[in-house]
Amino acid sequence: DGGITQSPKYLFRKEGQNVTLSCEQNLNHDAMYWYRQDPGQGLRLIYYSQIVNDFQKGDIAEGYSVSREKKESFPLTVTSAQKNPTAFYLCASSRGFASGRSNTGELFFGEGSRLTVL
Amino acid sequence: AQSVSQHNHHVILSEAASLELGCNYSYGGTVNLFWYVQYPGQHLQLLLKYFSGDPLVKGIKGFEAEFIKSKFSFNLRKPSVQWSDTAEYFCAVKAGSYQLTFGKGTKLSVIP
Repeated sequence: DGGITQSPKYLFRKEGQNVTLSCEQNLNHDAMYWYRQDPGQGLRLIYYSQIVNDFQKGDIAEGYSVSREKKESFPLTVTSAQKNPTAFYLCASSRGFASGRSNTGELFFGEGSRLTVL
Repeated sequence: AQSVSQHNHHVILSEAASLELGCNYSYGGTVNLFWYVQYPGQHLQLLLKYFSGDPLVKGIKGFEAEFIKSKFSFNLRKPSVQWSDTAEYFCAVKAGSYQLTFGKGTKLSVIP
């Protein structure tokens, strides 16, 4: 079955450590996204990528980094510069480009990764 | 920039009660509208969507939503809720070349 796989599901990190969250999709979607979900704040966009080897900052990119070396993969690194990294992180994908007609905005989500900083 | 407002943070209903969750957005042009649902312990999934045509759209599990362009609204409704509808509901808007913008979510608790 096609879908989005995020790993790990749960992750604990000590302050000052970088951590990388994995996101893989086999839906053949062009665009991929990382969101952060905090209670009462909805989903906030961290980074997105419309095509391989290209990505853009979202609303809350500070303290995060991404790469898009393959169409199927869009890993997110939470760096030590992120001041409040404890959160639930969601990866998503969609067809087409952000500004193109083929991108309706419909997203397909992974199951999420919960990061806790100790 | 566009924004999405969901009026209620937490709604508590008894089974069989009717549900209406409000969603308003700020964007004057053409929009695509979505409601997503997150059941406890599960991933976000699409409940329904509106792109064009009939402003009353039907989704899964008996949910429907009505797009009222003049009010910039896309409210979610269900005539009779069940305990299994307990979840968090997110309204989202795709406007022009902007990325999808989510509301802050409404938690629905249905009491048996």
